[in-house]
Amino acid sequence: DAGITQSPRHKVTETGTPVTLRCHQTENHRYMYWYRQDPGHGLRLIHYSYGVKDTDKGEVSDGYSVSRSKTEDFLLTLESATSSQTSVYFCAITSSPLSTDTQYFGPGTRLTVL
Amino acid sequence: KNEVEQSPQNLTAQEGEFITINCSYSVGISALHWLQQHPGGGIVSLFMLSSGKKKHGRLIATINIQEKHSSLHITASHPRDSAVYICAVTPLRVGTDKLIFGTGTRLQVFP
Repeated sequence: DAGITQSPRHKVTETGTPVTLRCHQTENHRYMYWYRQDPGHGLRLIHYSYGVKDTDKGEVSDGYSVSRSKTEDFLLTLESATSSQTSVYFCAITSSPLSTDTQYFGPGTRLTVL
Repeated sequence: KNEVEQSPQNLTAQEGEFITINCSYSVGISALHWLQQHPGGGIVSLFMLSSGKKKHGRLIATINIQEKHSSLHITASHPRDSAVYICAVTPLRVGTDKLIFGTGTRLQVFP
């Protein structure tokens, strides 16, 4: 298994509070991704990174920000959590563009916003 | 209409049956991925293919680029194959660093 961890694994928070999710990898992979998974939807890309300090938005980026100051860590921040951000969040990594390499997924973080 | 469609959405089978899950897509792609998500959430990549067929154990994935269609087959299904199977494509139009996902096919195999 690829060395990829997420923390926390579960979190319950209240509307309006800031939340930061951490993705940590030991594979030295260049590309890192944050997805959310909701019933009735496929995995949807929130933000991704193609290198240290290089990030870009995905299809559902509103209300989220990211930072990548080290190769191994990719942080996802909800500045002011809302109930619509209740979801399961997955981090993924890959070493090469996705035409030539597969993604390796973290175990997921279940976030509940009350 | 989603750019990646899977069928069926739900599938039940008896142990030992041959399973087929289908994926159709409407965009040009450089690769197609099949993923497996077990109850409890972990997602594992099963195959990445851009042409032809790949086989791993009892799993076989095929793709027809001209018809924009892929199938995942499971031979001699077993209850441990119960999972959600997800198809995803690497579209040509936005480069090679993003995936578009289908909504998944939930498979239950009963003993």
